[in-house]
Amino acid sequence: AQSVAQPEDQVNVAEGNPLTVKCTYSVSGNPYLFWYVQYPNRGLQFLLKYITGDNLVKGSYGFEAEFNKSQTSFHLKKPSALVSDSALYFCAVRDGVISSGSARQLTFGSGTQLTVLP
Amino acid sequence: NAGVTQTPKFQVLKTGQSMTLQCAQDMNHNSMYWYRQDPGMGLRLIYYSASEGTTDKGEVPNGYNVSRLNKREFSLRLESAAPSQTSVYFCASSDFRRTGELFFGEGSRLTVL
Repeated sequence: AQSVAQPEDQVNVAEGNPLTVKCTYSVSGNPYLFWYVQYPNRGLQFLLKYITGDNLVKGSYGFEAEFNKSQTSFHLKKPSALVSDSALYFCAVRDGVISSGSARQLTFGSGTQLTVLP
Repeated sequence: NAGVTQTPKFQVLKTGQSMTLQCAQDMNHNSMYWYRQDPGMGLRLIYYSASEGTTDKGEVPNGYNVSRLNKREFSLRLESAAPSQTSVYFCASSDFRRTGELFFGEGSRLTVL
């Protein structure tokens, strides 16, 4: 079974400081990893993904994430936080099988509320 | 582009009432999903449909039924609503033959009294 852990329910950071939102995962085989962001009263929006290749993945709004296979982690980072980055962030994982027979299910973490203080 | 559209956005039901949440996507995706979101629990998969004509149970299917009406539409039905089904429901779609990122609707907030 696949799983995702986001160990921090809440992360607070001052505007202009770097931010990190942590994620660790467990999956059989090679992982496909995703980060989503949810603003209040909205659906989840895709931020970035790791499929293969470079361990540092760049995504929307200046976010990036680093895949670390040995630590089974996929932490979300941004060099300089903005107040507008305040939102709920979800990490998700699925196995890397491309199958025509069935949908590959995405498993989500419980979410981390990021608050950027002005 | 509309993406994934859900209706209704808000609904209040009494215990025992039934209702259907509608979802449609215009991205020609094969797979569609229904999730529920509860505080501190992230998103939990209720049902999914890998392709038109197929449906499968997810993590929390009890009390729900689904219908994949055609490639575009995937509905979620509560036959006899219970207070435990008070939640925010999200429909999503993806092309699982590729990398499979999900595209979400705006959500439907359901309250069961």
